[in-house]
Amino acid sequence: GDSVTQMEGPVTLSEEAFLTINCTYTATGYPSLFWYVQYPGEGLQLLLKATKADDKGSNKGFEATYRKETTSFHLEKGSVQVSDSAVYFCALSARGSQGNLIFGKGTKLSVKP
Amino acid sequence: NAGVTQTPKFRVLKTGQSMTLLCAQDMNHEYMYWYRQDPGMGLRLIHYSVGEGTTAKGEVPDGYNVSRLKKQNFLLGLESAAPSQTSVYFCASIGDGSYNSPLHFGNGTRLTVT
Repeated sequence: GDSVTQMEGPVTLSEEAFLTINCTYTATGYPSLFWYVQYPGEGLQLLLKATKADDKGSNKGFEATYRKETTSFHLEKGSVQVSDSAVYFCALSARGSQGNLIFGKGTKLSVKP
Repeated sequence: NAGVTQTPKFRVLKTGQSMTLLCAQDMNHEYMYWYRQDPGMGLRLIHYSVGEGTTAKGEVPDGYNVSRLKKQNFLLGLESAAPSQTSVYFCASIGDGSYNSPLHFGNGTRLTVT
């Protein structure tokens, strides 16, 4: 079945450091790919998405590129801030799934000043 | 614009007790979902609905029941709570069930079963 694998956390970085959170997927066909962010005590919010190969999603300085050849959707940010501390989830939605998302296990990011 | 609202926010139950979690959305969305979030497990789908009066099982449906009597509401019931149901429960909705569209999530209900 479809699945998402993302790097284990927690990840601790200093402010202004470069961030990469790896995400790979297994799916039949061409799914849509998402990154969601969960701030403490809150629900999940969409951070960015890509719906076809080579698409780049971007938002708030975060970027991720849909790489079909490596089945990857790695999240990157050039300079993290303390306010980026949160849990990040990679997810996919397959055609015919009726909108259901398959999630990775989440990566907790802590940014220190 | 409230979006997706879940009640209650917190609840503690004893083993064997029952309860209902309420999810309400004001976006006129057709599709609604219940997920549970457990440490190290990500989110897993419990049940979902593709429209008023419909329900379907997800990945982990055992021990839960759902109802969608009104389009805007999706109820999750636990008839006899067990400690294994201690979790954070999230409701989500989407307009048309398209695989290109992101889900809108509520802020969650933290349930502890002792």
